[in-house]
Amino acid sequence: GESVGLHLPTLSVQEGDNSIINCAYSNSASDYFIWYKQESGKGPQFIIDIRSNMDKRQGQRVTVLLNKTVKHLSLQIAATQPGDSAVYFCAEKADFNKFYFGSGTKLNVKP
Amino acid sequence: DGGITQSPKYLFRKEGQNVTLSCEQNLNHDAMYWYRQDPGQGLRLIYYSQIVNDFQKGDIAEGYSVSREKKESFPLTVTSAQKNPTAFYLCASIGHLTFTEAFFGQGTRLTVV
Repeated sequence: GESVGLHLPTLSVQEGDNSIINCAYSNSASDYFIWYKQESGKGPQFIIDIRSNMDKRQGQRVTVLLNKTVKHLSLQIAATQPGDSAVYFCAEKADFNKFYFGSGTKLNVKP
Repeated sequence: DGGITQSPKYLFRKEGQNVTLSCEQNLNHDAMYWYRQDPGQGLRLIYYSQIVNDFQKGDIAEGYSVSREKKESFPLTVTSAQKNPTAFYLCASIGHLTFTEAFFGQGTRLTVV
């Protein structure tokens, strides 16, 4: 299968600080990259996606950066809040609508 | 409300038994997926279906079977051939208009006893 992995398994940040979650991917042919958030005991929820021909996309309090040269994806969360505490997964959309997920980064927001 | 529903939330299976996990969606989505999640790990694709009466194996299909007789339903059977079935199972669906936004169910936690 495809390889989508994350650099850091756990990230702790202070409430109000910005968070940066990183992801490496291996399939250059993927046309979309996506970030999901998973709270404990629940299914993942879509956060934001980026098409492979873009290098940056912004949402509400979140920004996704794509560096195709080094096959790196990052999710930036501005003014991190306690409700942002969760596991974050990057995923890539490959052929035939198959999605491959990374192993996840746990974000802990300290009050 | 539109959504995707998995049942049961918790399931216990004796060794050697087959069990079926239910997944139903009322989002009118064509594509449906089954993923397995082990503690501290990402999601691994078991099976997926792009259309009714058609499905494809994912990366870890051995020991699992699926059917797609209706657009709304994509049940997963964990057979006795699956040697390590204890895991969290997630079902997802995707519409053709929002083709990167997968909607996930709440998951079924399967435990072999």
